[in-house]
Amino acid sequence: GAVVSQHPSRVICKSGTSVKIECRSLDFQATTMFWYRQFPKKSLMLMATSNEGSKATYEQGVEKDKFLINHASLTLSTLTVTSAHPEDSSFYICSARDSSGFSYEQYFGPGTRLTVT
Amino acid sequence: DAKTTQPTSMDCAEGRAANLPCNHSTISGNEYVYWYRQIHSQGPQYIIHGLKNNETNEMASLIITEDRKSSTLILPHATLRDTAVYYCIVRVDQGAQKLVFGQGTRLTINP
Repeated sequence: GAVVSQHPSRVICKSGTSVKIECRSLDFQATTMFWYRQFPKKSLMLMATSNEGSKATYEQGVEKDKFLINHASLTLSTLTVTSAHPEDSSFYICSARDSSGFSYEQYFGPGTRLTVT
Repeated sequence: DAKTTQPTSMDCAEGRAANLPCNHSTISGNEYVYWYRQIHSQGPQYIIHGLKNNETNEMASLIITEDRKSSTLILPHATLRDTAVYYCIVRVDQGAQKLVFGQGTRLTINP
């Protein structure tokens, strides 16, 4: 199946700093990517829908100024956690939809574990 | 999107068939049933999806009741590597439809 990568896989940062997470579709183009976060023993929670060349659509309760999303190309979306705090520590997962065909299938990345100290 | 209900956890012996139920009594006529699974500390993995007919692939079978209000995911010969959280999701297959994850079923395969 199609491959989605995330970088970094793990990151530890200090409180108050910003962290950028990359999501790449390796063998297909994706006009739409999705960002999720997941707390321990909890389900995935959709944060935002990232659209290539336009502004992201954020889910209710997600601060757009804190979680900056950029989708500048058909294979790359980035999530920047600004002024990170310990409560932002979580597992962040992206998914991408192959826009080249008729499939609406989404392919998930392996996730990025963020720890804010 | 219609809401789904799944058991919180299930156990199954290695080598036996694992049958995971899902209720989606409010499903609409144009909504598909999708199954994903998430192995610990990894991203979700697509398993199978269907509209109203039963479906089978190399990973699993999906049985959808005639009234489409429930479905069962069948892993025919479960292995220890099938231990994961299994999510049943219903959604319309059009546009950039987002996937909304419920709590899923934590399936443990025992040796």
